[in-house]
Amino acid sequence: NAGVTQTPKFQVLKTGQSMTLQCAQDMNHNSMYWYRQDPGMGLRLIYYSASEGTTDKGEVPNGYNVSRLNKREFSLRLESAAPSQTSVYFCASKVETKNIQYFGAGTRLSVL
Amino acid sequence: AQSVTQLDSHVSVSEGTPVLLRCNYSSSYSPSLFWYVQHPNKGLQLLLKYTSAATLVKGINGFEAEFKKSETSFHLTKPSAHMSDAAEYFCVVTRMDSSYKLIFGSGTRLLVRP
Repeated sequence: NAGVTQTPKFQVLKTGQSMTLQCAQDMNHNSMYWYRQDPGMGLRLIYYSASEGTTDKGEVPNGYNVSRLNKREFSLRLESAAPSQTSVYFCASKVETKNIQYFGAGTRLSVL
Repeated sequence: AQSVTQLDSHVSVSEGTPVLLRCNYSSSYSPSLFWYVQHPNKGLQLLLKYTSAATLVKGINGFEAEFKKSETSFHLTKPSAHMSDAAEYFCVVTRMDSSYKLIFGSGTRLLVRP
């Protein structure tokens, strides 16, 4: 009953470092999403993947890349981290028939 | 274009009193609307969803929301607040294109006083 699992839960980076945020879901969902959450701004979509092998940009894709490795996994990569990328990142997957998204617990990232 | 406006960034109530969290939306089509809750340091959990089957939608933990097309509102209510209701609440609308992406409001933080 894991649902959507994100790793790591916390990360501190220095400006210019790179890292990959991992997301895996065990619900056999086709669609997966990456969001960032900043104070007073709700969640904003970074990238999404409607199915294995496809990815598309959301509202705020600059500075990020994604990989839909297989149906279960959808990773988010920061190639050269910037302080503006300090945020909480959420991964989600969607039940197609009900159009409901299920969220992971988040990754709290600080870029110094 | 679609958008969601949560009218209060913070709401404070006493335990046992009613809760009202306000949400207005803008949409060219009949939207799907959601309320999600986020407890501190947790992910988002679906409270309820409106899809046009009924204007009054009942969710988990005693919450409900009423869709009012004439007022373009989808306010969240609960008759009696509990301490465990303290959290941030997000009103969400589905974008009416093929991707069905979600558009989030900015959130309302609910504080419950003993």
